[in-house]
Amino acid sequence: AQSVTQLGSHVSVSEGALVLLRCNYSSSVPPYLFWYVQYPNQGLQLLLKYTSAATLVKGINGFEAEFKKSETSFHLTKPSAHMSDAAEYFCAVSREGAQKLVFGQGTRLTINP
Amino acid sequence: KAGVTQTPRYLIKTRGQQVTLSCSPISGHRSVSWYQQTPGQGLQFLFEYFSETQRNKGNFPGRFSGRQFSNSRSEMNVSTLELGDSALYLCASSSDSSYNEQFFGPGTRLTVL
Repeated sequence: AQSVTQLGSHVSVSEGALVLLRCNYSSSVPPYLFWYVQYPNQGLQLLLKYTSAATLVKGINGFEAEFKKSETSFHLTKPSAHMSDAAEYFCAVSREGAQKLVFGQGTRLTINP
Repeated sequence: KAGVTQTPRYLIKTRGQQVTLSCSPISGHRSVSWYQQTPGQGLQFLFEYFSETQRNKGNFPGRFSGRQFSNSRSEMNVSTLELGDSALYLCASSSDSSYNEQFFGPGTRLTVL
Protein backbone atom coordinates (compact mmCIF):
# COMPACT_ATOMS: atom_id res chain seq x y z
CA ALA A 1 0.00 0.00 0.00
CA GLN A 2 1.06 3.55 -0.60
CA SER A 3 0.81 6.44 1.83
CA VAL A 4 1.92 10.04 2.19
CA THR A 5 2.73 12.06 5.29
CA GLN A 6 2.95 15.81 5.19
CA LEU A 7 4.73 17.24 8.21
CA GLY A 8 2.97 20.35 9.45
CA SER A 9 -0.65 21.07 8.69
CA HIS A 10 0.10 24.78 8.77
CA VAL A 11 3.26 26.62 7.74
CA SER A 12 3.72 30.37 8.02
CA VAL A 13 6.58 32.30 6.40
CA SER A 14 7.37 35.93 5.70
CA GLU A 15 7.19 37.33 2.19
CA GLY A 16 10.59 36.83 0.56
CA ALA A 17 11.57 33.97 2.87
CA LEU A 18 12.29 30.37 1.93
CA VAL A 19 9.30 28.06 1.64
CA LEU A 20 9.82 24.44 2.69
CA LEU A 21 6.91 22.00 2.75
CA ARG A 22 7.74 18.47 3.82
CA CYS A 23 6.46 15.24 2.33
CA ASN A 24 7.42 11.68 3.11
CA TYR A 25 6.00 8.71 1.25
CA SER A 26 5.68 5.00 1.64
CA SER A 27 5.55 2.78 -1.41
CA SER A 28 6.47 -0.83 -2.13
CA VAL A 29 7.02 -0.04 -5.80
CA PRO A 30 8.84 2.83 -7.52
CA PRO A 31 6.56 5.79 -6.94
CA TYR A 32 5.32 8.64 -9.02
CA LEU A 33 5.17 11.72 -6.80
CA PHE A 34 3.25 14.95 -7.23
CA TRP A 35 2.70 18.28 -5.57
CA TYR A 36 -0.63 20.01 -6.11
CA VAL A 37 -1.83 23.43 -4.96
CA GLN A 38 -5.40 24.37 -4.12
CA TYR A 39 -6.65 27.93 -3.85
CA PRO A 40 -9.91 28.66 -2.01
CA ASN A 41 -13.00 27.36 -3.77
CA GLN A 42 -10.97 25.86 -6.59
CA GLY A 43 -9.78 22.47 -7.73
CA LEU A 44 -6.21 21.19 -7.62
CA GLN A 45 -3.47 22.52 -9.86
CA LEU A 46 -0.37 20.46 -10.56
CA LEU A 47 2.85 22.18 -9.44
CA LEU A 48 5.31 19.45 -10.38
CA LYS A 49 5.79 15.71 -10.72
CA TYR A 50 8.51 13.09 -10.29
CA THR A 51 8.33 10.10 -12.61
CA SER A 52 11.76 8.46 -12.18
CA ALA A 53 13.70 10.82 -14.42
CA ALA A 54 15.70 13.65 -12.78
CA THR A 55 15.57 13.64 -8.99
CA LEU A 56 15.41 17.45 -8.83
CA VAL A 57 12.15 18.52 -10.37
CA LYS A 58 11.29 22.09 -11.31
CA GLY A 59 7.67 23.16 -11.44
CA ILE A 60 5.56 26.19 -12.03
CA ASN A 61 5.64 29.45 -10.07
CA GLY A 62 9.27 28.95 -9.00
CA PHE A 63 8.67 25.77 -6.99
CA GLU A 64 10.94 22.75 -7.06
CA ALA A 65 11.19 19.43 -5.24
CA GLU A 66 13.89 16.85 -4.75
CA PHE A 67 13.24 13.12 -4.71
CA LYS A 68 15.40 11.39 -2.09
CA LYS A 69 14.90 7.66 -2.16
CA SER A 70 17.09 7.00 0.89
CA GLU A 71 14.93 9.35 2.95
CA THR A 72 11.64 8.50 1.17
CA SER A 73 11.07 12.22 0.90
CA PHE A 74 9.85 14.66 -1.72
CA HIS A 75 10.00 18.08 -0.06
CA LEU A 76 8.73 21.17 -1.88
CA THR A 77 10.76 24.40 -1.83
CA LYS A 78 10.66 27.91 -3.18
CA PRO A 79 13.53 30.33 -2.54
CA SER A 80 11.42 33.45 -2.04
CA ALA A 81 7.78 33.40 -0.95
CA HIS A 82 5.23 35.67 -2.58
CA MET A 83 1.87 36.68 -1.18
CA SER A 84 0.18 34.84 -4.05
CA ASP A 85 1.68 31.54 -2.79
CA ALA A 86 -0.79 31.46 0.10
CA ALA A 87 -2.84 28.31 -0.49
CA GLU A 88 -3.11 24.66 0.53
CA TYR A 89 -0.52 22.27 -0.81
CA PHE A 90 -0.95 18.53 -1.26
CA CYS A 91 1.67 15.87 -1.84
CA ALA A 92 0.45 12.73 -3.62
CA VAL A 93 1.81 9.37 -4.67
CA SER A 94 0.79 6.85 -7.28
CA ARG A 95 2.38 3.94 -9.07
CA GLU A 96 3.08 3.39 -12.73
CA GLY A 97 0.02 2.32 -14.62
CA ALA A 98 -2.47 3.34 -11.95
CA GLN A 99 -4.38 6.60 -12.00
CA LYS A 100 -5.26 6.45 -8.32
CA LEU A 101 -3.59 9.23 -6.35
CA VAL A 102 -3.03 8.85 -2.62
CA PHE A 103 -2.84 12.27 -1.00
CA GLY A 104 -1.30 13.61 2.15
CA GLN A 105 -3.45 15.62 4.55
CA GLY A 106 -2.31 18.91 3.10
CA THR A 107 -0.30 21.88 4.37
CA ARG A 108 -1.84 25.32 4.55
CA LEU A 109 0.78 27.94 3.66
CA THR A 110 0.35 31.45 5.03
CA ILE A 111 2.54 34.33 3.85
CA ASN A 112 3.10 37.22 6.25
CA PRO A 113 3.75 40.67 4.76
CA LYS B 1 -7.85 23.53 -24.81
CA ALA B 2 -10.75 23.67 -22.38
CA GLY B 3 -10.13 22.29 -18.91
CA VAL B 4 -12.12 19.78 -16.90
CA THR B 5 -15.63 21.01 -16.24
CA GLN B 6 -17.96 19.89 -13.48
CA THR B 7 -21.64 20.58 -13.03
CA PRO B 8 -23.27 21.74 -10.95
CA ARG B 9 -20.76 23.73 -8.90
CA TYR B 10 -22.96 23.82 -5.80
CA LEU B 11 -25.72 21.52 -4.64
CA ILE B 12 -27.89 21.31 -1.54
CA LYS B 13 -29.76 18.12 -0.78
CA THR B 14 -31.49 16.57 2.21
CA ARG B 15 -30.78 13.25 3.87
CA GLY B 16 -32.17 10.27 2.01
CA GLN B 17 -32.17 11.93 -1.39
CA GLN B 18 -29.90 10.94 -4.22
CA VAL B 19 -27.65 13.12 -6.34
CA THR B 20 -25.88 12.93 -9.69
CA LEU B 21 -22.74 14.91 -10.47
CA SER B 22 -21.31 15.38 -13.92
CA CYS B 23 -17.78 15.72 -15.24
CA SER B 24 -16.53 16.53 -18.73
CA PRO B 25 -12.83 15.70 -19.18
CA ILE B 26 -10.28 17.50 -21.28
CA SER B 27 -10.75 16.66 -24.94
CA GLY B 28 -8.85 13.49 -25.81
CA HIS B 29 -8.57 12.27 -22.22
CA ARG B 30 -10.09 8.84 -21.71
CA SER B 31 -9.44 8.38 -18.00
CA VAL B 32 -11.67 10.08 -15.44
CA SER B 33 -11.18 9.77 -11.69
CA TRP B 34 -13.33 11.02 -8.83
CA TYR B 35 -12.19 12.17 -5.40
CA GLN B 36 -14.01 13.25 -2.26
CA GLN B 37 -12.52 16.07 -0.18
CA THR B 38 -13.63 16.68 3.41
CA PRO B 39 -11.97 18.56 6.28
CA GLY B 40 -11.78 15.40 8.36
CA GLN B 41 -10.73 12.75 5.86
CA GLY B 42 -8.91 14.90 3.32
CA LEU B 43 -8.76 13.83 -0.31
CA GLN B 44 -9.91 10.28 -0.92
CA PHE B 45 -10.09 8.34 -4.17
CA LEU B 46 -13.57 7.17 -5.15
CA PHE B 47 -13.12 5.45 -8.52
CA GLU B 48 -11.57 5.68 -11.96
CA TYR B 49 -13.13 5.04 -15.33
CA PHE B 50 -11.34 4.37 -18.59
CA SER B 51 -13.09 3.72 -21.88
CA GLU B 52 -16.46 3.26 -20.13
CA THR B 53 -15.09 0.67 -17.68
CA GLN B 54 -14.42 1.08 -14.00
CA ARG B 55 -10.72 0.38 -13.68
CA ASN B 56 -10.13 1.07 -10.01
CA LYS B 57 -12.28 1.65 -6.97
CA GLY B 58 -11.67 3.21 -3.58
CA ASN B 59 -13.02 2.16 -0.22
CA PHE B 60 -16.49 3.71 -0.30
CA PRO B 61 -19.89 2.09 0.28
CA GLY B 62 -22.03 0.90 -2.60
CA ARG B 63 -24.16 4.05 -2.34
CA PHE B 64 -21.43 5.70 -4.37
CA SER B 65 -21.44 4.69 -8.01
CA GLY B 66 -20.34 6.07 -11.32
CA ARG B 67 -20.31 5.56 -15.01
CA GLN B 68 -18.58 6.82 -18.10
CA PHE B 69 -20.06 7.45 -21.50
CA SER B 70 -18.59 6.83 -24.93
CA ASN B 71 -17.54 10.50 -25.19
CA SER B 72 -15.56 10.06 -21.92
CA ARG B 73 -17.93 12.25 -19.92
CA SER B 74 -18.54 10.76 -16.50
CA GLU B 75 -21.21 10.92 -13.84
CA MET B 76 -21.16 9.87 -10.25
CA ASN B 77 -24.23 9.10 -8.22
CA VAL B 78 -24.73 9.02 -4.48
CA SER B 79 -27.93 7.41 -3.24
CA THR B 80 -29.57 7.68 0.18
CA LEU B 81 -27.53 10.72 1.12
CA GLU B 82 -26.11 11.03 4.64
CA LEU B 83 -24.91 14.14 6.44
CA GLY B 84 -21.34 12.81 6.15
CA ASP B 85 -21.54 12.91 2.37
CA SER B 86 -21.22 16.69 2.50
CA ALA B 87 -17.97 17.35 0.69
CA LEU B 88 -16.23 18.79 -2.31
CA TYR B 89 -16.31 16.21 -5.09
CA LEU B 90 -13.44 16.58 -7.52
CA CYS B 91 -13.14 15.06 -10.94
CA ALA B 92 -9.79 14.61 -12.69
CA SER B 93 -8.96 13.55 -16.21
CA SER B 94 -5.83 12.06 -17.66
CA SER B 95 -4.48 10.91 -21.00
CA ASP B 96 -3.41 7.41 -20.10
CA SER B 97 0.11 7.89 -21.38
CA SER B 98 0.93 10.97 -19.29
CA TYR B 99 2.70 9.37 -16.31
CA ASN B 100 -0.47 9.59 -14.27
CA GLU B 101 -0.63 13.38 -14.51
CA GLN B 102 -4.20 14.29 -13.68
CA PHE B 103 -5.97 17.54 -14.38
CA PHE B 104 -8.62 18.52 -11.88
CA GLY B 105 -11.90 20.33 -12.32
CA PRO B 106 -13.16 23.01 -9.91
CA GLY B 107 -15.31 20.52 -8.03
CA THR B 108 -18.92 20.25 -6.96
CA ARG B 109 -19.67 21.39 -3.42
CA LEU B 110 -22.39 19.10 -2.03
CA THR B 111 -24.16 20.05 1.18
CA VAL B 112 -26.48 17.51 2.78
CA LEU B 113 -28.98 18.90 5.30
